[in-house]
Amino acid sequence: SQQGEEDPQALSIQEGENATMNCSYKTSINNLQWYRQNSGRGLVHLILIRSNEREKHSGRLRVTLDTSKKSSSLLITASRAADTASYFCATDARNRDDKIIFGKGTRLHILP
Amino acid sequence: DGGITQSPKYLFRKEGQNVTLSCEQNLNHDAMYWYRQDPGQGLRLIYYSQIVNDFQKGDIAEGYSVSREKKESFPLTVTSAQKNPTAFYLCASSMGSGSHYEQYFGPGTRLTVT
Repeated sequence: SQQGEEDPQALSIQEGENATMNCSYKTSINNLQWYRQNSGRGLVHLILIRSNEREKHSGRLRVTLDTSKKSSSLLITASRAADTASYFCATDARNRDDKIIFGKGTRLHILP
Repeated sequence: DGGITQSPKYLFRKEGQNVTLSCEQNLNHDAMYWYRQDPGQGLRLIYYSQIVNDFQKGDIAEGYSVSREKKESFPLTVTSAQKNPTAFYLCASSMGSGSHYEQYFGPGTRLTVT
């Protein structure tokens, strides 16, 4: 019952560059969330964007949502070594609003 | 210090044994969740609970059982019926259930069954 799917699966960039990850989903959603997971740890919530919003910012993070294309992107500007982690999008389950479904994630590696 | 705790961090069991993973939260959250994560994969929902004394099966509930007798606690039992129990198990909680609530995660329990 996978809903969101991140792209690329893995991404390596130099420190200081911007990192962009994408999430595509199949059916209409109410909300979309982005989470970060450091290796071997629990997930940390980053941003929630509602279906009637197009863009949200939080510090160096920028999330966009295009409901016509059923896609979202997460941009991390001026990347740092500490940004090395896996990033997951999570959306409503199909026809259900009592739980969310996570994608498989993008593994981001920031090179020094 | 508010948060969600899981214990133990690492757990080793022999095949055929049941094992219970602990999850406790002091955030006064109504909803709690158990996820399973396999290497390089996303999270798959095992069980979730929207309120005390109530819980629902997620996408991969077979071989698992839960209870929600207290608001703060949502233990997960991995039974011998679970065919591939070795995995990283994550517990989460949220103020309410639904996609408009952010989930708070515990640090996880890595279970190895041999």
